[in-house]
Amino acid sequence: DTGVSQDPRHKITKRGQNVTFRCDPISEHNRLYWYRQTLGQGPEFLTYFQNEAQLEKSRLLSDRFSAERPKGSFSTLEIQRTEQGDSAMYLCASSLTEYGYTFGSGTRLTVV
Amino acid sequence: GQQLNQSPQSMFIQEGEDVSMNCTSSSIFNTWLWYKQDPGEGPVLLIALYKAGELTSNGRLTAQFGITRKDSFLNISASIPSDVGIYFCAGQDLLSGNKLVFGAGTILRVKS
Repeated sequence: DTGVSQDPRHKITKRGQNVTFRCDPISEHNRLYWYRQTLGQGPEFLTYFQNEAQLEKSRLLSDRFSAERPKGSFSTLEIQRTEQGDSAMYLCASSLTEYGYTFGSGTRLTVV
Repeated sequence: GQQLNQSPQSMFIQEGEDVSMNCTSSSIFNTWLWYKQDPGEGPVLLIALYKAGELTSNGRLTAQFGITRKDSFLNISASIPSDVGIYFCAGQDLLSGNKLVFGAGTILRVKS
């Protein structure tokens, strides 16, 4: 059990560029979540997958954001046409049941 | 939307002292969770509470799920330097999906 793995750990991008983050959940976990955390705040829910189905999306997930989990294993989160307001820590979590999330170490995005 | 009020915002205490922090909500939750986050890392689950009135311990940590289901507290006894970090409460309402709603965090600093 290597935990929830996120890649990259850090990403600096210019405004207007597209970025993609990857999350590898704990292998037997069928539920996968994406959260966003800005400085001084707690994580905020973005979206939730059960297996490959995206079951819930937050209003925070604008049209520029898209998340996929094509085979029910790893997931990607893409942000198109990044804006400075997208700068945040993007956290992925996974779980086997509706309880007890395990979070990854996050991807820190800086948009310059 | 659902909001959690977490207090205090920060604490600076002497090593060996006990610590208490709490969370209140305008909504009822089915589950209360307490997480700790170190700089540059994702939140790590400390204690999960599943039933109103439940009191649960994990080593020097004790947490309670309020009987109104709208509040929870976390106590840390005999603090040590490695307790430094940000502590988050999170509530989960299973009827509103699987997302967690987080408080803004309590920053704990320990003076040795």
